[in-house]
Amino acid sequence: GQQLNQSPQSMFIQEGEDVSMNCTSSSIFNTWLWYKQDPGEGPVLLIALYKAGELTSNGRLTAQFGITRKDSFLNISASIPSDVGIYFCAGTYAGKSTFGDGTTLTVKP
Amino acid sequence: NAGVTQTPKFRVLKTGQSMTLLCAQDMNHEYMYWYRQDPGMGLRLIHYSVGEGTTAKGEVPDGYNVSRLKKQNFLLGLESAAPSQTSVYFCASSGGGGAFFGQGTRLTVV
Repeated sequence: GQQLNQSPQSMFIQEGEDVSMNCTSSSIFNTWLWYKQDPGEGPVLLIALYKAGELTSNGRLTAQFGITRKDSFLNISASIPSDVGIYFCAGTYAGKSTFGDGTTLTVKP
Repeated sequence: NAGVTQTPKFRVLKTGQSMTLLCAQDMNHEYMYWYRQDPGMGLRLIHYSVGEGTTAKGEVPDGYNVSRLKKQNFLLGLESAAPSQTSVYFCASSGGGGAFFGQGTRLTVV
């Protein structure tokens, strides 16, 4: 089946630093999605990417849909304490979504 | 606007018992999903539906059944619960892009 490799598994950064995480797959996807999950909550959609090569921003977040349709990255600029949480990538093909294992972000003030 | 609502929020089952988890969405979405999330892991797709009356298997379908009799509802059934099914279950719906998730159901099987 389809599998996503998300890295890094965890990150410890200083407030104000930039963050970068990515997902790769051996399969192609039609849509790449990035979510954030806070403790005890369901994931919340941050950015959706629909075309290969697409670069999309949402405030301090920027994500790109890889040209090969097999990868995506998420950047967070000028991190703040409320960025703490688990970030998941997900790829969708034919209505079926597959999630990465997540990147746990810790931001030190 | 309720979005995606899951019922119940918490449940403890004995091994061998059965139960049904209910998911309701009010966004008229075609796609609905059931995931399970185990500690320190991502979400694994159990079953999904691309429209009313349709269901399909995900990555980990064994031990679960689903039904989508109405567009707004997606039910997840456990016929004979096992301790390995202890997990947090999330329902989600999508109109074709990103998905909206419910708050989750924390299920413990003892």
